[in-house]
Amino acid sequence: DIQMTQSPSTLSASVGDRVTITCRASQSISTWLAWYQQKPGKAPKLLIYAASTLQNGVSSRFSGSGSGTEFTLTISSLQPDDFATYYCQQYNPYSPSSTFGQGTKVEIK
Amino acid sequence: EVQLVESGGGLVQPGGSLRLSCEASGFTFSNYWMHWVRQAPGKGLVWLTRINRDGDSTSSADSVKGRLTISRDNAKNTLYLQMNSLRVEDTAVYFCARGPELRSPLESWGQGTLVTVSS
Repeated sequence: DIQMTQSPSTLSASVGDRVTITCRASQSISTWLAWYQQKPGKAPKLLIYAASTLQNGVSSRFSGSGSGTEFTLTISSLQPDDFATYYCQQYNPYSPSSTFGQGTKVEIK
Repeated sequence: EVQLVESGGGLVQPGGSLRLSCEASGFTFSNYWMHWVRQAPGKGLVWLTRINRDGDSTSSADSVKGRLTISRDNAKNTLYLQMNSLRVEDTAVYFCARGPELRSPLESWGQGTLVTVSS
């Protein structure tokens, strides 16, 4: 199975900060990579798919990049609504399973 | 409006069984691949299993193979997860989610249903 490793596990930041989260795959997944935002008690929300394509309705302050095994999610200017936990997910169609990273919690500094 | 509503969660003893349901509305259910994902209390998301549009092809995480079985009834717009031989570590919120193709992310999610395995 493909393993996904996110870093950091927790990130403390202030409103207005530029924030970057990294996700590494144990083998190449091309750009079959999605990012989700989850708030406590809520379902995850899709932010980015195909590594860099913004989901409809998602703020342009979110961006994604990468291919192969290394990917990043960047929030250009952190807003109060962005404090949440973020997960990457590989959905490589050539793999028998999908996997999530362990999550990155973005906290208020 | 796209809606996915899970039900069937609750308290079950170790070794017991439970069947979760996910009722879909607001879209053509049979056009979508469907998935189950779970989240133990205070922990991260874990992908469990998926099923194709027709219901004749499934795939599951190794950790749940043989105990958790996904199925669907397109006539009833409903997805199922049959859970057998439940363990304490299966305690989690279970989410259903959809994707238009195998090569798609999970674009819409239900609100989840809590399964507690305890004696």
